[in-house]
Amino acid sequence: QVQLQESGPGLVKPSQTLSLTCTVSGGSISSGSYYWSWIRQPAGKGLEWIGRIYTSGSTNYNPSLKSRVTISVDTSKNQFSLKLSSVTAADTAVYYCAGAKGGYNAFDIWGQGTMVTVSS
Amino acid sequence: DIVMTQSPDSLAVSLGERATINCKSSQSVLYSSNNKNYLAWYQQKPGQPPKLLIYWASTRESGVPDRFSGSGSGTDFTLTISSLQAEDVAVYYCQQYYSTPLFTFGPGTKVDIK
Repeated sequence: QVQLQESGPGLVKPSQTLSLTCTVSGGSISSGSYYWSWIRQPAGKGLEWIGRIYTSGSTNYNPSLKSRVTISVDTSKNQFSLKLSSVTAADTAVYYCAGAKGGYNAFDIWGQGTMVTVSS
Repeated sequence: DIVMTQSPDSLAVSLGERATINCKSSQSVLYSSNNKNYLAWYQQKPGQPPKLLIYWASTRESGVPDRFSGSGSGTDFTLTISSLQAEDVAVYYCQQYYSTPLFTFGPGTKVDIK
């Protein structure tokens, strides 16, 4: 059974870059035609899709965040990563990594989430 | 962008009674070539990630109790919990996966016990 685990700093200073990694365990990141996404949720609020990557390296980003987001994959480590630059307090949220089988499908695999606070 | 709305914002239902949540998309999420609605429902309990309940608007994810059902097509969808159990207290989200590069979620509906 494939599992996801987010990791990275829980505190980031304003204007700096938020960096998170999602480790895929229990299976290969390259198998099953999965697209791997990042999704975030500010405290007490709804879910916002940030972007996704396929193991080929192909990416799609939320247009509202596109200028600040980079998602990459390292198949040798079974990981994919998120970088969000020029962060502000508005980027404070729980960040989830998630997987969906195929380019157009629901997210059937989720990590537990990691809280990131942007504060000086 | 496809905007998702949900109603009500919250509801309280007695144990064993039916709970109904509505979701509307600002444009159709029905793909005519395969007649599939690109709409999913998730359940999120406090401190946990969302859990997929329903995909293709009406297909139950493996392991999801059959008291959960999804219906609707085009722009209007419904999640029904036929007999509410205590463990169903959660926030429920709909999500469209029709439109890339932007998958969008509804604002959520909180379900409590009356």
